[in-house]
Amino acid sequence: EPEVTQTPSHQVTQMGQEVILRCVPISNHLYFYWYRQILGQKVEFLVSFYNNEISEKSEIFDDQFSVERPDGSNFTLKIRSTKLEDSAMYFCASIRDRTLSYEQYFGPGTRLTVT
Amino acid sequence: DQQVKQNSPSLSVQEGRISILNCDYTNSMFDYFLWYKKYPAEGPTFLISISSIKDKNEDGRFTVFLNKSAKHLSLHIVPSQPGDSAVYFCAAGGTTNNAGNMLTFGGGTRLMVKP
Repeated sequence: EPEVTQTPSHQVTQMGQEVILRCVPISNHLYFYWYRQILGQKVEFLVSFYNNEISEKSEIFDDQFSVERPDGSNFTLKIRSTKLEDSAMYFCASIRDRTLSYEQYFGPGTRLTVT
Repeated sequence: DQQVKQNSPSLSVQEGRISILNCDYTNSMFDYFLWYKKYPAEGPTFLISISSIKDKNEDGRFTVFLNKSAKHLSLHIVPSQPGDSAVYFCAAGGTTNNAGNMLTFGGGTRLMVKP
């Protein structure tokens, strides 16, 4: 069964550094999402992406964050200057066609640790 | 943001018995609801969903009930198995005024099924 994959599984970075988290959504899916879960807290929506543009973003998704689908398969989340509070699990998700189904399929996550 | 709440942080059930996980929501714009199961260090795995036009959806051992007037849904697992032990998240989304189909998650309920 097709799966969403994410790399790396764990990323450690120093405060102020840039990180790029990578996702490969399910191949025929058209809508892509990033969520995060800070330890002990809820899973929170960050951004949704369709047709090479952001369709919706949360308050968390400020100017330090950006998303890109550079090559038709990868979907990346960039944090320009990481802060300690960016430490979290970051999950990528995708839907094939949101007019037909609303079931988002999640990747295994990237644990980001900012020191 | 408490639009989706799971008031029980944990639930312990004997193998073979029924597990009932509950979820409440406040936003009447939500028109679909999903349950996800999550193991440690993995992403949420989709279990079952329900549209707001229905009050019940069944898939094998899993049944979701929706009470729109009470803004309440529940997940029933019958019979419970030790492999069902995980954290269960309720999530909600809306197709109206929701260009990106973002999901809003509850805080999760840890289910422990004892042999």
